Amino acid sequence: SYELTQPPSVSVSPGQTARITCSGDALPKKYAYWYQQRSGQAPVLVISEDTKRPSGIPERFSGSSSGTTATLTISGAQVDDEADYYCYSTDSGGNQRVFGGGTKLTVL
Amino acid sequence: EVHLVESGGGLVKPRGSLRLSCVASGFTFSSAWMTWVRQAPGKGLEYVGRIKSKPDGAATDYATPVKGRFTISRDDSKNTLYLQMNSLKLEDTAIYYCTTYARHCSGGSCYSYYFDDWGQGTLVTVS
Repeated sequence: SYELTQPPSVSVSPGQTARITCSGDALPKKYAYWYQQRSGQAPVLVISEDTKRPSGIPERFSGSSSGTTATLTISGAQVDDEADYYCYSTDSGGNQRVFGGGTKLTVL
Repeated sequence: EVHLVESGGGLVKPRGSLRLSCVASGFTFSSAWMTWVRQAPGKGLEYVGRIKSKPDGAATDYATPVKGRFTISRDDSKNTLYLQMNSLKLEDTAIYYCTTYARHCSGGSCYSYYFDDWGQGTLVTVS
């Protein structure tokens, strides 16, 4: 079955840049999407189609994708950005809808 | 503003059944594709299944772990999405979220599908 691999945790100080990666064999052909889930809350889409930021998402959130790795970048991370982040994509045939295992971002 | 409110969760014994509901507002429900996504306690997100809109055939799709046990349906007259869960297992314990399933299309072909708006979820405990 298809898998997306994320680091379990990333830690940065306030104001630093946080980068969270997501690796998957189909990412050269399929978009990656990123979701933020704060503790006890439902997920929120922060990046769609590799690089697009939905309305209402701060400009410090950006996305990129190269080869088999998609990256979520938070420039000037804030304490309020502490959350679990999940990437989402599909296999090359579009049949398996898969989330990465999630990355816990700590900002302190 | 899109609003999705799930209900119907609770405690159920293994091999039991439960039906979840999700009432939608703030958008044209009858045109929307909808999904269920779940999250086991302390774990990550897992796709459960999807239903297309009736104009698109109302076709359903399920993740392997729930295929044959779960059924997604919709009542557009009530703006409500359902998840019928049968033969429940311990590993089905999770928060169940309903979501809109957005798609971007161009020239008659759709190239982007993703979970857009989410409800707050309802907890199902199988024990």
